[in-house]
Amino acid sequence: QKEVEQDPGPLSVPEGAIVSLNCTYSNSAFQYFMWYRQYSRKGPELLMYTYSSGNKEDGRFTAQVDKSSKYISLFIRDSQPSDSATYLCAMSGLGTSYDKVIFGPGTSLSVIP
Amino acid sequence: NAGVTQTPKFQVLKTGQSMTLQCAQDMNHNSMYWYRQDPGMGLRLIYYSASEGTTDKGEVPNGYNVSRLNKREFSLRLESAAPSQTSVYFCASRQSGVETQYFGPGTRLLVL
Repeated sequence: QKEVEQDPGPLSVPEGAIVSLNCTYSNSAFQYFMWYRQYSRKGPELLMYTYSSGNKEDGRFTAQVDKSSKYISLFIRDSQPSDSATYLCAMSGLGTSYDKVIFGPGTSLSVIP
Repeated sequence: NAGVTQTPKFQVLKTGQSMTLQCAQDMNHNSMYWYRQDPGMGLRLIYYSASEGTTDKGEVPNGYNVSRLNKREFSLRLESAAPSQTSVYFCASRQSGVETQYFGPGTRLLVL
């Protein structure tokens, strides 16, 4: 079993739709949960960052963490064509010497005008 | 403030050739990382450097070497390139005590 699993998509939605992106993980010791957005031929950039369980909202984006289910989600409201990108979930906080970060493989999202 | 920069942007090598990928950051971060990204595999850590003068292996270090030249620069060297090293390479940096990593634009490497 991979440490972090993520549906690779591709996911295609019409403009204005609500998008739900999800990751599951196997190591209950993870404490920090992140979502990165990666545009084509660019490096990943941090979108959302959450510590432990709960919700965090930033504009049209909401990140949810359910540690009991080992499940994290990113919701995008009123999706825009500019949201078309690959979304990578990432987790850390295992207390290793280099603060190991595990990335999911990414979900490719297309928002159609 | 350029953030994390990488050179070259794209490179084609023949099997057995060597090359060095360069990375520099201007954010005064202590930690720097090299990842490779392959389709369906996500980002996999090759090497990291927790501070100037220290380097350690990540998940997939075989076939690579690194040098932390100073606080700003962290280079990745392929001594004898193999087709399995065809990938997109990303450098990242992070400040101590903060989980966020900042990534460079990537180097696309094709080994024939």
